[in-house]
Amino acid sequence: GAVVSQHPSWVICKSGTSVKIECRSLDFQATTMFWYRQFPKQSLMLMATSNEGSKATYEQGVEKDKFLINHASLTLSTLTVTSAHPEDSSFYICSARAYFSGANVLTFGAGSRLTVL
Amino acid sequence: LAKTTQPISMDSYEGQEVNITCSHNNIATNDYITWYQQFPSQGPRFIIQGYKTKVTNEVASLFIPADRKSSTLSLPRVSLSDTAVYYCLVGPSNNAGNNRKLIWGLGTSLAVNP
Repeated sequence: GAVVSQHPSWVICKSGTSVKIECRSLDFQATTMFWYRQFPKQSLMLMATSNEGSKATYEQGVEKDKFLINHASLTLSTLTVTSAHPEDSSFYICSARAYFSGANVLTFGAGSRLTVL
Repeated sequence: LAKTTQPISMDSYEGQEVNITCSHNNIATNDYITWYQQFPSQGPRFIIQGYKTKVTNEVASLFIPADRKSSTLSLPRVSLSDTAVYYCLVGPSNNAGNNRKLIWGLGTSLAVNP
């Protein structure tokens, strides 16, 4: 149980285009989901907290107009990278809290590798 | 904010037991200690979580001393497939949505050799 599905796993796009990444909780409901970004050889950086039915909370330094987050249902959150540029190329990972093996832990999607040409 | 310190890298051989220690001197009373494993180009995967003493599951053990200022992840008889980055996180275990207290460091890059 407690599976988070993320799609697409990788995407290549041209500079200036927008890319949408979906994050679904498959067998549990997630009122809150978290979006991370990870550059090569670096750790995960929390970008924003997605809240079902309300606005997302963005971390300092993350442009909310560039990284649009929508959490329309209890099982789906989306991250749209608008007008993507090469510096947005990164590994984006979503997660949600779920009970696993008796513990309330972060369950992560497989991640989405974005390459902007 | 509970910051953690762990070795940047470790080397081991197949079949050995690997112990990775994490320091968290300013752990709070309601903080839990959670370890994750991450393979390249994949999201982190939960390994084990504990609050005090010892916790064991089918893949690892977690040792936490009485003062809780450190913890040790123990991987018994590692194999090549255990080569990954291991993260130690300290924070409250709740669904309040406050994820800011979870600080992800660089983790420990474990290399298991044949």
